[in-house]
Amino acid sequence: GAVVSQHPSWVICKSGTSVKIECRSLDFQATTMFWYRQFPKQSLMLMATSNEGSKATYEQGVEKDKFLINHASLTLSTLTVTSAHPEDSSFYICSARGGGGHEQYFGPGTRLTVT
Amino acid sequence: LAKTTQPISMDSYEGQEVNITCSHNNIATNDYITWYQQFPSQGPRFIIQGYKTKVTNEVASLFIPADRKSSTLSLPRVSLSDTAVYYCLVGGMNRDDKIIFGKGTRLHILP
Repeated sequence: GAVVSQHPSWVICKSGTSVKIECRSLDFQATTMFWYRQFPKQSLMLMATSNEGSKATYEQGVEKDKFLINHASLTLSTLTVTSAHPEDSSFYICSARGGGGHEQYFGPGTRLTVT
Repeated sequence: LAKTTQPISMDSYEGQEVNITCSHNNIATNDYITWYQQFPSQGPRFIIQGYKTKVTNEVASLFIPADRKSSTLSLPRVSLSDTAVYYCLVGGMNRDDKIIFGKGTRLHILP
């Protein structure tokens, strides 16, 4: 099956710094990638949708200047959390759609802790 | 986007068949029904997908009635490792169609 990877799997950063999370589709071309955030004991919340070569579409309430998304190629999308604060600590999950199929494949997630 | 409703939690025992039902009254004509499994600190894992009637794969079955306003995920002979959160999602399969997660069902398998 299609594989989506994320890097890093976990990261700790200081408040005020920025951190970048990578999402890669390893064996297929992802025309669309999605970024989710998940807090403990809660469901996944969609943050934004990105198509290769175009600007991301953010969900209501998600600050686009804080969560920068770049989908520069058909196999890579990045999420940069700028000026991170402790309340940004969460589990960030990406997913990718492409390869001609209907399914959406999820990455293993990245645990972000802001101290 | 069709909203889904699932039981918040379920308990069952090893070796039993578990059925989790999801309601999606506002499902659109081009929407598919997809179920995912999620373990703590992991990304969701695809289980099964269907449009109508019954779909079966090596891990589960999906039953969809004719009106498609609900669906039932059936897990045969569960084991302790099936303890997880199960999400029912409804959405189109076009490139930009979003997958919105509901609250999911927390399944706890007891020995």
